[in-house]
Amino acid sequence: GNSVTQMEGPVTLSEEAFLTINCTYTATGYPSLFWYVQYPGEGLQLLLKATKADDKGSNKGFEATYRKETTSFHLEKGSVQVSDSAVYFCALQSWGSNYKLTFGKGTLLTVNP
Amino acid sequence: DVKVTQSSRYLVKRTGEKVFLECVQDMDHENMFWYRQDPGLGLRLIYFSYDVKMKEKGDIPEGYSVSREKKERFSLILESASTNQTSMYLCASIPGLAGIETQYFGPGTRLLVL
Repeated sequence: GNSVTQMEGPVTLSEEAFLTINCTYTATGYPSLFWYVQYPGEGLQLLLKATKADDKGSNKGFEATYRKETTSFHLEKGSVQVSDSAVYFCALQSWGSNYKLTFGKGTLLTVNP
Repeated sequence: DVKVTQSSRYLVKRTGEKVFLECVQDMDHENMFWYRQDPGLGLRLIYFSYDVKMKEKGDIPEGYSVSREKKERFSLILESASTNQTSMYLCASIPGLAGIETQYFGPGTRLLVL
């Protein structure tokens, strides 16, 4: 079956530091890959996505590249801000799955000023 | 903007009570989902619905049922609440159109079962 493994947190960084959150997946076929973000007290919202190999998703300074050869979709940001403090979820969606998402366990990021 | 609303942000219930969690979306989406979110476990799919009156079990359906009588509304029912159902419950919807994969989430309902 499908599964997503992402690096465990919590991750604590200083403002302007470089961020990487690792995500690897197991899936049949060629899934679409997502990063969702959950700010304190809120539901999840889409941060970025990639639907095929070598695609790069980007939004708000965050980037992730769909790497089929390593089955990975690592999230990166060059300079984090305090407002980036949130929980980040990696997820995949398989073709023909009725749009069901399989999520990783989430990574809590705290950015200190 | 797509809006997904959930009937309560916080709910406290007693063991054995029947609990209804309501979710409404305003964008005519075909597919709707109920997840529960627990620390260290991420989000796990309870049930989903791909059309009115149609439903399918997700990964953890035990102890839950759902109802979708109208396209915009998807209800999660705890027939007899238990303490291990204390959790954050998130509803989501998606249009169900090819090429549009993004799920839209509600703000969540934090349920405490005493």
